[in-house]
Amino acid sequence: QKEVEQNSGPLSVPEGAIASLNCTYSDRGSQSFFWYRQYSGKSPELIMFIYSNGDKEDGRFTAQLNKASQYVSLLIRDSQPSDSATYLCAFILTGGGNKLTFGTGTQLKVEL
Amino acid sequence: DGGITQSPKYLFRKEGQNVTLSCEQNLNHDAMYWYRQDPGQGLRLIYYSQIVNDFQKGDIAEGYSVSREKKESFPLTVTSAQKNPTAFYLCASSPDGQYRYTFGSGTRLTVV
Repeated sequence: QKEVEQNSGPLSVPEGAIASLNCTYSDRGSQSFFWYRQYSGKSPELIMFIYSNGDKEDGRFTAQLNKASQYVSLLIRDSQPSDSATYLCAFILTGGGNKLTFGTGTQLKVEL
Repeated sequence: DGGITQSPKYLFRKEGQNVTLSCEQNLNHDAMYWYRQDPGQGLRLIYYSQIVNDFQKGDIAEGYSVSREKKESFPLTVTSAQKNPTAFYLCASSPDGQYRYTFGSGTRLTVV
């Protein structure tokens, strides 16, 4: 079983819609979860992090964490063409120190 | 402005040649990391260092070497033993005990 699973996409949503990105992980001891956005040819940039079960909102972004079901989600409200990018989930494995383990990323396309 | 600088942006390597990728940060971060990104495979950890003069292998260290003689610098050497080095290489840093990575802009290495 892979440590983290993400649907590679592409996920296409119309402008103004809600985009929902999901990530499942296998390590039950993982505590810290991150969402990075990566534009084509660029480096990843951190957009959200979540440590506790439930929802965390920041502007148009909401991160959701369910440790019992071992999934973390990212919702993007009012999607804009500028949101078109690859979204990578990342987390710290149990005993992993400061090392982030990344998913393969989901490509999001926001269409006009 | 504080940041993390990778150079060169593009690098071409001949078969059997060693090349060194530069990574410099002025964020006073203790930890530094090297990741490799291939299409559709997310980021994979090559090496990381949490303090000067100490570093550990990541998941795909074979064919790579690093040094950490200064806090600011963490160069990566891609040796001739790395059989498939064509990839996008990302350097990152984080403060001690924290997981919020700052990434450099990356080096795209191509074997010719």
